[in-house]
Amino acid sequence: QVQLVESGGGVVQPGRSLRLSCAASRFTFSNYGMHWVRQAPGKGLEWVAVIWYDGSNKYYADSVKGRFTISRDNSKNTLFLQMDTLRAEDTAVYYCARQEGSRSYFDYWGQGALVTVSS
Amino acid sequence: EIVMTQSPVTLSVSPGERVTVSCRASQGISNNLAWYQQKPGQAPRLLIYGASTRATGIPVRFSGSGSGTEFTLTISRLQSEDFAVYYCQQYNNWPLPLTFGGGTKVEIK
Repeated sequence: QVQLVESGGGVVQPGRSLRLSCAASRFTFSNYGMHWVRQAPGKGLEWVAVIWYDGSNKYYADSVKGRFTISRDNSKNTLFLQMDTLRAEDTAVYYCARQEGSRSYFDYWGQGALVTVSS
Repeated sequence: EIVMTQSPVTLSVSPGERVTVSCRASQGISNNLAWYQQKPGQAPRLLIYGASTRATGIPVRFSGSGSGTEFTLTISRLQSEDFAVYYCQQYNNWPLPLTFGGGTKVEIK
């Protein structure tokens, strides 16, 4: 069974940085596009970013563009989200999710990592 | 950006009842729509893709329909494990962003 495990969440002050990781296993990671999706407390789902299977293309939601960077290490089966200049409104559970083939819906999700931005 | 609008926001139903959740797109998205189920404290789970295709392992009581701008998720006979929040998501927009509906909470009546 496909497994995605996020780590790196925590409490951080506004303006500081945090890096999330997502360890993938039980599938060929280098064949799949990967996404980050977040969910603020008690709110709905918000797409954050996508990276192509080979890292050649990356796209971001306007709300994080210029502050967040998605990357991957296919040799280590790991997805990353570097979050800089964090704001209170970035407080959320961050999920990594696998894209199903060429269509951008999500067939597997991690359990999520909570990021709290607070002074 | 394509805006996805779900209705109702909350649905109070009894086990065994039929449930219908609606999702409307602000512009045509063909059949590029997915449905997810999320239970408290858990990650979302893919139910339906391509507007009407059940994902692997999803029970037949879940069905999806629609095309263009109007979509429906139907649960034929609600079971206790189906009480959850349901989200639609469009993946037609290119070059993005992907967008979700606001969610429909199905709660016990």
